[in-house]
Amino acid sequence: AQSVTQLDSQVPVFEEAPVELRCNYSSSVSVYLFWYVQYPNQGLQLLLKYLSGSTLVESINGFEAEFNKSQTSFHLRKPSVHISDTAEYFCAVSEASGSARQLTFGSGTQLTVLP
Amino acid sequence: ETGVTQTPRHLVMGMTNKKSLKCEQHLGHNAMYWYKQSAKKPLELMFVYSLEERVENNSVPSRFSPECPNSSHLFLHLHTLQPEDSALYLCASSQGRDPFYGYTFGSGTRLTVV
Repeated sequence: AQSVTQLDSQVPVFEEAPVELRCNYSSSVSVYLFWYVQYPNQGLQLLLKYLSGSTLVESINGFEAEFNKSQTSFHLRKPSVHISDTAEYFCAVSEASGSARQLTFGSGTQLTVLP
Repeated sequence: ETGVTQTPRHLVMGMTNKKSLKCEQHLGHNAMYWYKQSAKKPLELMFVYSLEERVENNSVPSRFSPECPNSSHLFLHLHTLQPEDSALYLCASSQGRDPFYGYTFGSGTRLTVV
């Protein structure tokens, strides 16, 4: 079974500052990794995913995440945040093979961007 | 809108009531899910339906009863709930059960049990 740990439950940051949201996972097999974002009063939306290949993946709105197998991490970064990035961010993991794969989510990190 | 619609958005019910949550998707997906989201806790997978058959039930109490009449609709029937069942209930759908494709979530139903 896999698990996900998001080390920070809340991250306040000023507008235009860089941010890193940390995610570590545990699994005995190869994994897929995901970041989902939940804006206020909305469901979760897929932000980006790592499946294979390049360990650095990017989203369309400037976020990026790097898969680090040796450290079992998949931290999310953005060099300059906007007020509109205020949301809850969930890291998730699934096994990369097998017939009963499912997403396992972390407990979320609330990113609050301050003016 | 993501393509997954949940109704109602908010629900307050007493412990002796019976109510139902509805989820609808017209994305052509063939797998649907119910998740429970409680504050500061990981999302909890409750039920999985694939091709209208329930394929997973993660030790959910019998006071929660899912129904999937067709590939576009999913219900969660509620009866004799407890206050600790208060949470945001999220429905999601996907094309096949492979997380590779990502899940599409609805906006959720905020349930309060009084």
